Amino acid sequence: EAGVVQSPRYKIIEKKQPVAFWCNPISGHNTLYWYLQNLGQGPELLIRYENEEAVDDSQLPKDRFSAERLKGVDSTLKIQPAELGDSAVYLCASSSTGSGSYNEQFFGPGTRLTVL
Amino acid sequence: TQLLEQSPQFLSIQEGENLTVYCNSSSVFSSLQWYRQEPGEGPVLLVTVVTGGEVKKLKRLTFQFGDARKDSSLHITAAQPGDTGLYLCAGAKGGKLIFGQGTELSVKP
Repeated sequence: EAGVVQSPRYKIIEKKQPVAFWCNPISGHNTLYWYLQNLGQGPELLIRYENEEAVDDSQLPKDRFSAERLKGVDSTLKIQPAELGDSAVYLCASSSTGSGSYNEQFFGPGTRLTVL
Repeated sequence: TQLLEQSPQFLSIQEGENLTVYCNSSSVFSSLQWYRQEPGEGPVLLVTVVTGGEVKKLKRLTFQFGDARKDSSLHITAAQPGDTGLYLCAGAKGGKLIFGQGTELSVKP
């Protein structure tokens, strides 16, 4: 079974440019998460989707970040415009409803963003 | 304020040594998970503990959930270079996972 797929794996852009990340979760997983991870730190949740609905976007900086999961499967996270402080790894994870309160999540390899 | 505090943040040991990583909080979690992350990869789930006082073993790794479900520990026996990586604890609360800041482990041959 394929795991969580993310692309691109690496992205280097200049500040003020837009950037987009793509994630395809594990087949059948209806919950999708986007996290931000700074070097040597734990992931921090940006947004959580249940199917196509964003059920928790309280930590998403909405002035420059946006996300969508139109058909409840794959998802796109966008930053426009990017700032120097956005340099980090952006992780996507998915889980199934059956995990219940255990909330066992499966992570993709991440996209490493460098803003120059 | 970090909801989950991991200690130590960095650990460098020789092959064959034992070590313990701690994950502490003032909050109660419905479950707690341990992940291991290698450079350039996403975190990989090692174990989930659910019941207060629960102990789970995974080969040379022993995980314990505190009686009050607020803290956990990971003990590695006879560490090997392949154990090198970032170890993350994460508590399940309110439908989401809250991660600690991680423990960077380096095992030298």
